[in-house]
Formats: sequence, structure tokens, C-alpha cells
Amino acid sequence: DIQMTQSPSSLSASVGDRVTITCRASQSINNYLSWYQQKPGKAPKLLIYAASSFQSGVPSRYSAIGSGTDFTLTISSLQPEDFATYYCQQSYSTITFGQGTRLEIK
Amino acid sequence: EVHLLESGGGLVQPGGSLRLSCAASGFTFSNYAMGWVRQAPEKGLEWVSSISGSGGDTFYVDSVKGRFTISRDNSKNMLHLQINSLRAEDTAIYYCAKDYARYCSSTSCALYGLDVWGQGTTVTVSS
Repeated sequence: DIQMTQSPSSLSASVGDRVTITCRASQSINNYLSWYQQKPGKAPKLLIYAASSFQSGVPSRYSAIGSGTDFTLTISSLQPEDFATYYCQQSYSTITFGQGTRLEIK
Repeated sequence: EVHLLESGGGLVQPGGSLRLSCAASGFTFSNYAMGWVRQAPEKGLEWVSSISGSGGDTFYVDSVKGRFTISRDNSKNMLHLQINSLRAEDTAIYYCAKDYARYCSSTSCALYGLDVWGQGTTVTVSS
């Protein structure tokens, strides 16, 4: 089974900060990598698919790159609505989520 | 508007069974793979199962193989998850989700993520 490891597990930042979340796969997953945002009490929301393609409506302050085993999600200037938990997910061989990165307001 | 609505959750004793359902609307249901993802209290997301648009291909996480069965009725735009031999560790919110892509590979669905999610139905396994 493919394991997905996110870092950091939690992150405190301020509005306007630039933050980067990393996701590492235990083996190559090509670009079968998606990113989700989840707010408390809500279902996850798809942000990014195929490692770097944006779902409709995702703000341009989000960016994502990666291929193979290493992937990153960057938010260039945090807005209040960005504070949430972020998950990566591989779909190269069945489906596995990372453990999540909780982004909190400093 | 694309919409998914889960039902069927509840409190069940260990060893019991439940059938979760998901009613889909706003898209051509048979064209898309579908899946179930669960989230235990205060924990992360765990993929449970997926099924191709035709229903011919199914996938399961190892921990539920032999206990859970995913199925779909394309004539009624319904997705189901039969869950048997329930354990305490199956306690979670169960989300129904639609694949963004129209197809699965030989080894997986959700190739381009899960783009529509229901609000979830809660399963609690306790005596």
C-alpha cells in the first residue's frame, strides 16, 4: 500500500503569510495527487487534482507542484477563510489520504 | 446543481450491520465512478471503497474487505454501502463522493480527485 506523509502536521500562521505544505508518497504516484481543504463540521473540498490543476473557483493565491513522490501546496498570502485542515490524496494505486495539516491562526 | 445526500447511519452494536445510501442528483450518475470516505471522530480522512460508473469494478481498503460491499443502482441514481460485522473502529462519519473523472484505472478510481461530497452520515458502533 502507498503511504502518504504530510508535513507539517500543524502550522500556525498569520493573515498575509506564505505557507507551504508538503506531501510525500512512499513510492512514485506519477501525478495522481489531489489536495483537499476541510473546515470543521464540513465535508472536504477538492482544490487541486493531477498535482497542479485547479478546481474551478480556487483562488490564485493557491499553487501546487510535484510529480513522482514529492508534492507541495503553497498559499501565497493567507486569508481568513484559508484556515482549515488540508489533505493530500493519491489515486495511483487504490486511494490513500495523508494524515492532514491543520492550519491555524497565530 | 450537483448534489449528494447520504442516509442510513445510526447506532449499532458490535457485530451488527447497516446499509448506507447516497442519493445523487444534478449529473449523469452512470457516467461517474463514486466512492465512500470516512472520518473517525477527531481523525483524518480514510478512503473506504469506490465503484466504477457501470458498477463492474469495485475497490476496497484492506480493513473492510469481506465486511463492506459497495453497489450502485444507476436506474435510481443511488449508491449504497452494505456494512457488516461492524467494529468499534468503524465509528465515523461516512461521506459519499463523486469522482471528477469519468473512468477508473485498473488499480484505482478518483484519478483526478473527488469533486462533489455529501454532508455525511454518522455510524456509531457501541454496545
